[in-house]
Amino acid sequence: AQRVTQPEKLLSVFKGAPVELKCNYSYSGSPELFWYVQYSRQRLQLLLRHISRESIKGFTADLNKGETSFHLKKPFAQEEDSAMYYCALGTGGFKTIFGAGTRLFVKA
Amino acid sequence: SAVISQKPSRDICQRGTSLTIQCQVDSQVTMMFWYRQQPGQSLTLIATANQGSEATYESGFVIDKFPISRPNLTFSTLTVSNMSPEDSSIYLCSVLAGGRNNEQFFGPGTRLTVL
Repeated sequence: AQRVTQPEKLLSVFKGAPVELKCNYSYSGSPELFWYVQYSRQRLQLLLRHISRESIKGFTADLNKGETSFHLKKPFAQEEDSAMYYCALGTGGFKTIFGAGTRLFVKA
Repeated sequence: SAVISQKPSRDICQRGTSLTIQCQVDSQVTMMFWYRQQPGQSLTLIATANQGSEATYESGFVIDKFPISRPNLTFSTLTVSNMSPEDSSIYLCSVLAGGRNNEQFFGPGTRLTVL
């Protein structure tokens, strides 16, 4: 079955602390993984995708096919990182499967 | 990229009535989707709106309840029919930029409350 699992509904860290949002996927083919973010009162938007291998706003994510994971990491969290984060799986077609989301709260 | 607008942004409706949500895109797109985002939950795909043909519905969603129109490559509507309080949710329009496995762009959403 095609599935995306984000085990944490809420993650709370202090400003300056490292943050890791976990994402595991289930897919038998070659996956395309994304992280989407929704800031307060803004629309859902793409943060990064594994194929581009870039760092956006200090966030990185590495696809680990052995562990079927695509965790999102940032070494030093900022207050403006507080948002809802969704891990998403592209399955070779036009549909994207979204995880349940993790709300990140960065405390001052 | 694609800029998406939705109308209305929010509405409060009575049980048993219907609401039609409009989605307008600033460029022609092939793939257009409708999602539901219930409070505290993830996005659930309702259907893919196909231009010139009937929408493709996901399991658990039917055309009688969620009729969709797609008259051209920049516009779609989703109707929530015979509403009940369980239909209270945010409804999102989304488009796929480019081909398969590409970035999706989302509208601002329509917040629906059914009393």
